[in-house]
Amino acid sequence: NAGVMQNPRHLVRRRGQEARLRCSPMKGHSHVYWYRQLPEEGLKFMVYLQKENIIDESGMPKERFSAEFPKEGPSILRIQQVVRGDSAAYFCASSPSWTPSYEQYFGPGTRLTVT
Amino acid sequence: AQSVAQPEDQVNVAEGNPLTVKCTYSVSGNPYLFWYVQYPNRGLQFLLKYITGDNLVKGSYGFEAEFNKSQTSFHLKKPSALVSDSALYFCAVRDGRMDSNYQLVWGAGTKLIIKP
Repeated sequence: NAGVMQNPRHLVRRRGQEARLRCSPMKGHSHVYWYRQLPEEGLKFMVYLQKENIIDESGMPKERFSAEFPKEGPSILRIQQVVRGDSAAYFCASSPSWTPSYEQYFGPGTRLTVT
Repeated sequence: AQSVAQPEDQVNVAEGNPLTVKCTYSVSGNPYLFWYVQYPNRGLQFLLKYITGDNLVKGSYGFEAEFNKSQTSFHLKKPSALVSDSALYFCAVRDGRMDSNYQLVWGAGTKLIIKP
């Protein structure tokens, strides 16, 4: 059973370009979470999605950031007009249920560098 | 509101000695507690969790954690440290009530360094 997959692993963008990060959850998981991690810091929640629904985007900046989890295909985190402050590691996690007792399974992350 | 504190930014332990990584929490309902480990340039790996039952929880790689309700703590322990245990460790909490916010709240992480 493949784990959570994220691609690309590393992404370099110039200021003003768009960054598109992909996450394929574990098989059978329909709940996806996106987190951002700055160097030497913990995880910051960004958004929680189920198939075709955004459940909670309270951690996501109001501008330039968007996320989706379509019926078919991976979840996408999109950052438009990137700025240097967007440079970070972005992690996706999945779980089979929203039930509080379930742990989340993490992908290897996408390291975004904005030059 | 939920919160997690990992009071130590870094813990240094000699190989073969016991290790403890501290975590305290605050939550309104029953706490669901989790420990994760992150190796350099990797994603987080689940180690163990406390939901209910025995206060001592055993997890992966020989780690265990003790839930202490009165002290609102969930410290991670291992009887004998290995150099390969060197990594970043995160504690997380979620309110166990079914109608609660499902979000995991994370500690800032503790860097564990095991010296040969």
